[in-house]
Amino acid sequence: NAGVTQTPKFRILKIGQSMTLQCTQDMNHNYMYWYRQDPGMGLKLIYYSVGAGITDKGEVPNGYNVSRSTTEDFPLRLELAAPSQTSVYFCASSYGLRQNNSPLHFGNGTRLTVT
Amino acid sequence: TQLLEQSPQFLSIQEGENLTVYCNSSSVFSSLQWYRQEPGEGPVLLVTVVTGGEVKKLKRLTFQFGDARKDSSLHITAAQPGDTGLYLCAGTLFSGGYNKLIFGAGTRLAVHP
Repeated sequence: NAGVTQTPKFRILKIGQSMTLQCTQDMNHNYMYWYRQDPGMGLKLIYYSVGAGITDKGEVPNGYNVSRSTTEDFPLRLELAAPSQTSVYFCASSYGLRQNNSPLHFGNGTRLTVT
Repeated sequence: TQLLEQSPQFLSIQEGENLTVYCNSSSVFSSLQWYRQEPGEGPVLLVTVVTGGEVKKLKRLTFQFGDARKDSSLHITAAQPGDTGLYLCAGTLFSGGYNKLIFGAGTRLAVHP
């Protein structure tokens, strides 16, 4: 199993450009998440999904959009990139958090720089 | 402000020393997880603690969940260079109809040979 796969690994965008960060998982997990990780700030939840067709905002959703048309894929869209979106983005999946001990499986991240 | 406060932020020690890192909150969590993250990779789960007062051991790592389920600690005995990494705690909170995992800012540990 590949687990959680994110592409691209690195990207540099100019202010105002748009892009989609791809995330796919092959573990048949219902829950998927997008986090951003800034230095010294830990992981902040951007959006999450509890199943295909269902998405909801996390702590820091502004400037981002998501969709969940299949169980496997959970892309994150940046429409108008801003320098404040420079960060490392992690996608994760889990069976769900209804069970207290359901761990998150993370991808290896996408490092995005907006200049 | 962080819902989960981790301390210390940074820790630099020599091989063989013992250390403890802390994860504190004013909120009660239904469970708490500890992850370790290495450069260029995503976090990887170390342990989940569920019951107040619970203690779990993973080789040289000892995890404790506070009695009130508001805090946790990670103790490493005889640290090794391979323990170097970012240690993140994450608590499960029920909000908006679903359980959510809230992360602390992490403790960056460097163990020198």
